[in-house]
Amino acid sequence: DVKVTQSSRYLVKRTGEKVFLECVQDMDHENMFWYRQDPGLGLRLIYFSYDVKMKEKGDIPEGYSVSREKKERFSLILESASTNQTSMYLCATYSRDIYNEQFFGPGTRLTVL
Amino acid sequence: EDKVVQSPLSLVVHEGDTVTLNCSYEVTNFRSLLWYKQEKKAPTFLFMLTSSGIEKKSGRLSSILDKKELSSILNITATQTGDSAIYLCAGETSGSRLTFGEGTQLTVNP
Repeated sequence: DVKVTQSSRYLVKRTGEKVFLECVQDMDHENMFWYRQDPGLGLRLIYFSYDVKMKEKGDIPEGYSVSREKKERFSLILESASTNQTSMYLCATYSRDIYNEQFFGPGTRLTVL
Repeated sequence: EDKVVQSPLSLVVHEGDTVTLNCSYEVTNFRSLLWYKQEKKAPTFLFMLTSSGIEKKSGRLSSILDKKELSSILNITATQTGDSAIYLCAGETSGSRLTFGEGTQLTVNP
């Protein structure tokens, strides 16, 4: 079974703080993704990565950065958190082997006060 | 800009009813259409559709893709309370990138 874990389920931070969200997968998948999910807006892609040290901007990259130093780990960084970044953050990995599906982590609900 | 639109946004039915959820997409370099079910946690995969007109089935759930109309439907027959969830549709473009719709919130009452 593919396992995608995220460092925290719930996180509360203050405006201006630097926030790290970590995602780890154990299936050697090349592709990893960060989404945020907000009511009425669905899942929106922030950044994705095809391989170690490679990253691509998604639809809403502003205010975020990412890091992929190892294949199994993909980090989302909020350099200076703002209240409009309060959201559910979901990490996903992807393999086009047999199942052709994205596997999602449990999500991190981030609240920025 | 890629776009996926789902309808209805919310649906309330009684157990035993049949429901049809709709998804329309405008995705450049389209590769596939995916359906996910999300309860109070991360989305779980239901179906991936790449060929038009071919029905994918899993128990009471089925889905068809219409590439001409750029749309897909998800059918659930004999609904149960356990079907209550958000159903997400996503269009996949080259590079495995997904664009999601807003989701349909389905509530099945006993």
